[in-house]
Amino acid sequence: KNEVEQSPQNLTAQEGEFITINCSYSVGISALHWLQQHPGGGIVSLFMLSSGKKKHGRLIATINIQEKHSSLHITASHPRDSAVYICAVRSVNTDKLIFGTGTRLQVFP
Amino acid sequence: ETGVTQTPRHLVMGMTNKKSLKCEQHLGHNAMYWYKQSAKKPLELMFVYNFKEQTENNSVPSRFSPECPNSSHLFLHLHTLQPEDSALYLCASSLDRPYNSPLHFGNGTRLTVT
Repeated sequence: KNEVEQSPQNLTAQEGEFITINCSYSVGISALHWLQQHPGGGIVSLFMLSSGKKKHGRLIATINIQEKHSSLHITASHPRDSAVYICAVRSVNTDKLIFGTGTRLQVFP
Repeated sequence: ETGVTQTPRHLVMGMTNKKSLKCEQHLGHNAMYWYKQSAKKPLELMFVYNFKEQTENNSVPSRFSPECPNSSHLFLHLHTLQPEDSALYLCASSLDRPYNSPLHFGNGTRLTVT
């Protein structure tokens, strides 16, 4: 079992829908990252958080340390949001990043 | 534009070839990383450099040889690769001590070993 699990693996949505992607982890962490990877391959860092909630435009990331769970929400989704969203945690034991396998999102017009 | 530039974008090489991947950043970052991304697998860390010094080698086979001549440039030298080494190779950088700040990734080099 991976130390970082994401759900769902694949997600399709109609433009305008509210989207939630989940990340659960089994190790102690000092920070959690949400990353976005477009079909071309490049990865963009969306959020780095260790508690509470962060918001940037239509994106919201939350984390519950006690439950070892984080969610990434996209409001008013748009076809340009189509990408793979990757969760990664920084382990307090190894100080390294552990990555999930990603959630592939497709938003149709 | 991510601030981290990788070349080439695509590379096809035979198992006996020698090639190099290049990564360049002018963000003033001090930590640089090589990651491997294979289909349907999580990103795998290969190497970490901090202030030009290698701080991590994640049990990578010796057919992959990194080089970091200065804080802005990182190379990955490839020789006698295997077909299973075909993957997307991603370079990243961060401002300070590894993992202490957000990573900035390049667009990757798609490597095919024939």
